[in-house]
Amino acid sequence: NAGVTQTPKFRILKIGQSMTLQCAQDMNHNYMYWYRQDPGMGLKLIYYSVGAGITDKGEVPNGYNVSRSTTEDFPLRLELAAPSQTSVYFCASSSSLKRGTGANVLTFGAGSRLTVL
Amino acid sequence: DAKTTQPTSMDCAEGRAANLPCNHSTISGNEYVYWYRQIHSQGPQYIIHGLKNNETNEMASLIITEDRKSSTLILPHATLRDTAVYYCIVRGNTNAGKSTFGDGTTLTVKP
Repeated sequence: NAGVTQTPKFRILKIGQSMTLQCAQDMNHNYMYWYRQDPGMGLKLIYYSVGAGITDKGEVPNGYNVSRSTTEDFPLRLELAAPSQTSVYFCASSSSLKRGTGANVLTFGAGSRLTVL
Repeated sequence: DAKTTQPTSMDCAEGRAANLPCNHSTISGNEYVYWYRQIHSQGPQYIIHGLKNNETNEMASLIITEDRKSSTLILPHATLRDTAVYYCIVRGNTNAGKSTFGDGTTLTVKP
């Protein structure tokens, strides 16, 4: 059971390049999330998904796109990379909330460190 | 989801209890309190969660006030490995997708 797997771990991009950060989970979780974390700061929600085919914006979606064609995968696309997107990106997943209860624990990946020069 | 307020930083002596406070005065009835921690730049790790009652697991205890407007995470015997950033978040059933984190509390355990 690998949990949440993110690739690549490190990447350097030039301004204007594009790339996709991959995220896969093997826990059959419905919910998936992308966060970014700038140095010394907390996590900011970029996009999230409540199930295959359904995505929605978080706090800081500009400059990013996501898709969710399967339950397992939730890739994050960066178009026209900018220095402001230099950050560590974390993917997370959680199971659906059971009716009448609220416990919904996030499982995080190890992160992808992106530098845009 | 309700917003949370945590102190920016705290120190604790090794072997002593670390008590980390969190204010969540706008919490609603169906929202749980969750605690996570992040060591260095690793992915955040789940610690504990609760709704109304105090909770304890192998890692920590969670004390929630009766009005649910604040809570305290207790690490009973802090070790150097507990040095980390601790996040308190509040999440509910109806909008669980938008799980927002604040800046957390940086706990430094000193020998």
